[in-house]
Amino acid sequence: AQSVAQPEDQVNVAEGNPLTVKCTYSVSGNPYLFWYVQYPNRGLQFLLKYITGDNLVKGSYGFEAEFNKSQTSFHLKKPSALVSDSALYFCAVRDGSLGYQKVTFGTGTKLQVIP
Amino acid sequence: NAGVMQNPRHLVRRRGQEARLRCSPMKGHSHVYWYRQLPEEGLKFMVYLQKENIIDESGMPKERFSAEFPKEGPSILRIQQVVRGDSAAYFCASSRLEVYNEQFFGPGTRLTVL
Repeated sequence: AQSVAQPEDQVNVAEGNPLTVKCTYSVSGNPYLFWYVQYPNRGLQFLLKYITGDNLVKGSYGFEAEFNKSQTSFHLKKPSALVSDSALYFCAVRDGSLGYQKVTFGTGTKLQVIP
Repeated sequence: NAGVMQNPRHLVRRRGQEARLRCSPMKGHSHVYWYRQLPEEGLKFMVYLQKENIIDESGMPKERFSAEFPKEGPSILRIQQVVRGDSAAYFCASSRLEVYNEQFFGPGTRLTVL
């Protein structure tokens, strides 16, 4: 079985400060990890993914995420938050060792960037 | 290249009526996924389809819900005899074949059951 946890329902950060949105995962095999962002009344937009290779993955809008195998984490980060980053963020995992496995999404973390 | 299309964007039904939600995947995408999102909740997987095949329907309620992805035309999520608890946002996503590919989401259909 695979699962993903986003321990924080909401994260508040001041504009210009660095932000971190946490994600931990559990899979039997190789993890394929994804981050998505959802703005109000919109669908999810893909931000970045980790499949293999460098543990630090860079994505859209200045976001990056660090894959940590020992801690089974894939935290989303940005050096300097913008008010426009305020949205709902979802982490997702798929077991890449299996022929097919659906993607499992976390419950989401609401990011509020305070001007 | 147009993104994932969903229609209608908003759908209002009375209890007992049928709801039909449509999804056209991105060009070149052969896999379609349906998710349900309730207010203040995460995304719940419902069903995964390829053309003319249901691959995984483990997230679909056993009754009243069905999905198809015909050889020609959009994928359809059908809810029969809707109840108030069906009110939610329903999202469709599509992807290419390989398992490492990300999913691309449509704008969603917001179903309201009166």
